[in-house]
Amino acid sequence: AQSVTQLGSHVSVSEGALVLLRCNYSSSVPPYLFWYVQYPNQGLQLLLKYTTGATLVKGINGFEAEFKKSETSFHLTKPSAHMSDAAEYFCAVSANTNAGKSTFGDGTTLTVKP
Amino acid sequence: DGGITQSPKYLFRKEGQNVTLSCEQNLNHDAMYWYRQDPGQGLRLIYYSQIVNDFQKGDIAEGYSVSREKKESFPLTVTSAQKNPTAFYLCASSMGDIPTEAFFGQGTRLTVV
Repeated sequence: AQSVTQLGSHVSVSEGALVLLRCNYSSSVPPYLFWYVQYPNQGLQLLLKYTTGATLVKGINGFEAEFKKSETSFHLTKPSAHMSDAAEYFCAVSANTNAGKSTFGDGTTLTVKP
Repeated sequence: DGGITQSPKYLFRKEGQNVTLSCEQNLNHDAMYWYRQDPGQGLRLIYYSQIVNDFQKGDIAEGYSVSREKKESFPLTVTSAQKNPTAFYLCASSMGDIPTEAFFGQGTRLTVV
């Protein structure tokens, strides 16, 4: 079984401030981890993914995430928020090679204040 | 351009009517999925298919049906047995045989009145 917990359904930051979105997972086997972004009334777009290898992964739009096995975490960060980062973000875990059949967190809505 | 096309984007139906949501992909992906999204509840898996002519129930399959007659197409029917069908429906696909991400369509917002 696998599960994902995203801490904080809403996060608000000022433009230029650090973005930190938290994700903790549970998986009985080595996980594959993903962060997706969703803009209103659109589908999800992949930001970054961890499968194997380097634990710090870089994605699009300046985002990165670090896989910490000991903490079962995969937090998403960005050094400096832009207004265009305002969206909903989903963390997902997959425990097999079929990444589409993932378990998703409930999402975190990011608001960026000018 | 390769991608996933869902149609229509908005759909209105009367209570008690079946309705079919379309999903087509030209990414040559083996696996396809349907998710339902409700506010504050993330994405919940309805059905998935890893190969043509085969599909499996997800976590919330009751009141839904699917078919996979072609690799490119995975339509979802919302039946009158679905008690609360109003939602945002997302179709996705993935290669299915290696650990890789899912590609999503733009979604269909279904409103039942």
